[in-house]
Amino acid sequence: IQMTQSPSTLSASVGDSVNLTCRASEDILIWLAWYQQKPGKAPKLLIHKASILQPGVPSRFSGSGSGTEFTLTISSLQPDDSATYYCQKYTHYSWRFGPGTKVE
Amino acid sequence: QELLVESGGGAVQPGGSVRLSCAASGFIFSRYAIHWVRQAPGKGLEWVAVISDAGRSTYYADSVQGRFTISRDNAKNVVYLEIPTLRGDDTALYYCTRDYDILISYGMDVWGQGTAVTVSS
Repeated sequence: IQMTQSPSTLSASVGDSVNLTCRASEDILIWLAWYQQKPGKAPKLLIHKASILQPGVPSRFSGSGSGTEFTLTISSLQPDDSATYYCQKYTHYSWRFGPGTKVE
Repeated sequence: QELLVESGGGAVQPGGSVRLSCAASGFIFSRYAIHWVRQAPGKGLEWVAVISDAGRSTYYADSVQGRFTISRDNAKNVVYLEIPTLRGDDTALYYCTRDYDILISYGMDVWGQGTAVTVSS
């Protein structure tokens, strides 16, 4: 199963709402997670099972979708949200990350 | 505090070997699966391997299947990743990360800081 993300880079302003898209080449039901990675840091889990927010993650982050198309929405974008965002599928004891979306 | 700390990386010649370690603290280690994820310089994340909580099950990415070996010692709270024949494309920062259940994954919620492996002659 291949994962794609769009756009590859996104420029937005503080306060904007942005949508990041992740697509799977086959149906993965809801077995999708989203991660945030800042330069020089380890990734941070934001969402699992497509829409479940990890404890401690701000509520401006939300996930939706199922099957082959998923969305990470960041409402009211903050300067601290500048990072690369990766989706990740987990099915059939195989995990795969998407190529990432850089949010500037 | 729930921590994972990787070690064992360094500069290695092509064809050389390395054993990476991931030491856990602050949580009940034997209840969690542990993954290795790597990131080549300037590139994205690549899942490498996972070992189940009791160590009975292991799974690998196609790119490393047959070359890498993941193992764990629950008495020492450590997971290992052995790479016996390093290639240039193995150059990366290697992270270990935990997952509550590999059947119905809850995502990788705790990560180490990574250990760098550089393969170069």
